[in-house]
This record gives sequence, structure tokens and C-alpha cells, in this order.
Amino acid sequence: DTAVSQTPKYLVTQMGNDKSIKCEQNLGHDTMYWYKQDSKKFLKIMFSYNNKELIINETVPNRFSPKSPDKAHLNLHINSLELGDSAVYFCASSQVHWDPTGEDTGELFFGEGSRLTVL
Amino acid sequence: KQEVTQIPAALSVPEGENLVLNCSFTDSAIYNLQWFRQDPGKGLTSLLLIQSSQREQTSGRLNASLDKSSGRSTLYIAASQPGDSATYLCAVRGGATNKLIFGTGTLLAVQP
Repeated sequence: DTAVSQTPKYLVTQMGNDKSIKCEQNLGHDTMYWYKQDSKKFLKIMFSYNNKELIINETVPNRFSPKSPDKAHLNLHINSLELGDSAVYFCASSQVHWDPTGEDTGELFFGEGSRLTVL
Repeated sequence: KQEVTQIPAALSVPEGENLVLNCSFTDSAIYNLQWFRQDPGKGLTSLLLIQSSQREQTSGRLNASLDKSSGRSTLYIAASQPGDSATYLCAVRGGATNKLIFGTGTLLAVQP
């Protein structure tokens, strides 16, 4: 039973199209994330949601819009796809873990990734 | 701005060897450090999580250490096996927005 699942796993589309990637976690976690892994395998955070509320929004083009209908789901919609959007997009989740300093230090669990290819 | 570097970028060892992967970070004000494994075309699997108050964590043949003051962590793999072949990523969590910042990864190949 997959903990963090993403669909689709592969997505090939033309420039200018709009596409969505869905993510679901069945771990009961409060926080979900979207990461982008580029061609050099470098992972960078895009967004983070805690209980459906956006808490991290990196410098990502407005064409990327995350949506969290409930705390178990975080979807990523991309408008007007560009060649540079080709990458692997990873969803992750974590359970809030408050350490003595009052910071959330929960462990992250990742999905299998969604490979997006824009032609 | 936190930067995370991993050395070496690639490593090839014969089966059975003990090996060490290195991770360094520029801002020592971290909350925790997490080691991941990524197989080709797959997602990330969490291996070990070390909280900032801890010095090391162990899981099976894996041992991770953390030295916050010097901005370093090591992942020790004992008696390596071909199945250990993968990319190993370290990531640190901290800073004003509590983001998880990833290193550049070490590609490990264990030769049978």
C-alpha cells in the first residue's frame, strides 16, 4: 500500500498545453510538498502546504499553481507548459514533529516522481 | 543562504568494502539532517534522520553522523553490496522557512 502516490508517472505533452499532476498520501501527515528534480538530478523545493494552507512558495513562475483540497492531497497544475518545465516532479509529505526549540523537524517521505517531458 | 555539498560526486567500490559518503553544509543552524537513497527512475527512500541534538543514527549496515558545528555529516556503509548501488542524497532542514535543502548527491556503484 503506497504511502505517497503520484499520478501520472510519465507525462509527455506539447509546449503551451496545461497539465496536472496529482498526489495523495495515506500516512495521515499534516504537511505536503512539491519538489522539482532537474536534468542534473538537483532537487529543489517548490511549494509546501500544512493542513491545506500554503506555507512555502519558492520563486516559481505563476504558471505553477498548487491546490490542496484536503490535507491528504496536493495537486500541481501547470499552465502554458514550456520546454524548461521538463523535469521530474516529486511529491512528499511529513508529520509535524515539534522539537524543543519549537520547530517542525518531521521526516519527509517521497513519492515515486512524475516525469514531465515537454516537446 | 544554505548550500549543501556532497563529496565525492561518484564512487565505485568492489563488493564487501566499507565506505564513507560526505555531506557538508554552510549554515550550521539546522534542525535536522536526512539521508536518502534514490534508485534510477525511482523516488527517494529515507534512510536515516538525525535531529540537531543527536550525533549519530544507525540502521543495519548504515551509520550516519552529524557534526553541526563544523557543518558536516557522514554516511558510513559497512560491507557494501551490489544492491547498495544508487544515488545517495543528504538534505538539511532549517532556516527561517524550515525548508529541506538537498545536496548534489553521490552516485555509488558497488561492483560484484
